[in-house]
Amino acid sequence: GAVVSQHPSRVICKSGTSVKIECRSLDFQATTMFWYRQFPKQSLMLMATSNEGSKATYEQGVEKDKFLINHASLTLSTLTVTSAHPEDSSFYICSAGRAEAFFGQGTRLTVV
Amino acid sequence: GIQVEQSPPDLILQEGANSTLRCNFSDSVNNLQWFHQNPWGQLINLFYIPSGTKQNGRLSATTVATERYSLLYISSSQTTDSGVYFCAVGEGGLVFGKGTKLTVNP
Repeated sequence: GAVVSQHPSRVICKSGTSVKIECRSLDFQATTMFWYRQFPKQSLMLMATSNEGSKATYEQGVEKDKFLINHASLTLSTLTVTSAHPEDSSFYICSAGRAEAFFGQGTRLTVV
Repeated sequence: GIQVEQSPPDLILQEGANSTLRCNFSDSVNNLQWFHQNPWGQLINLFYIPSGTKQNGRLSATTVATERYSLLYISSSQTTDSGVYFCAVGEGGLVFGKGTKLTVNP
């Protein structure tokens, strides 16, 4: 299967700061990648679709100004959580793949 | 949008037992996947199975697309099978069910 790598796996940041999470497709080119969020003991929820060379598409209820997505190349998408607050603490995970989706390792964000 | 329901929500087994996890979905789909989420949060791909039956070792899955459900079978369960099993459907961005938390006791 395809390999998707996500970095960092864990990050702690202070309230008000910004955090950038990277998602890379290692062995294939991905014109589209997806970002999900998972709160403790809950399921995964699609946040946004990252499109190479164009604007991301956000799901209803997701603040595009808070969660900035950049997909500057065919192998890299980044999610920046801006002005982070404790309620943004969550598990963020990306995926890519043509038919079958493959996921990165996920990033556990804690905002203190 | 499409709804995905998984059952049971929790399942406790003794090592060596068999189990069946179910996934119902509300609309026709061209993609259905089963995942195992390990304690570190990583999603492990189990099956990509929009229709038909597949087997991989002790695990197998069947999707009956016309009746909008999929089943995941785990045979001779082991403690390492513990975790949360998710069913997800969709094209591109996936819609996940709430998962089945499986605990296998020694």
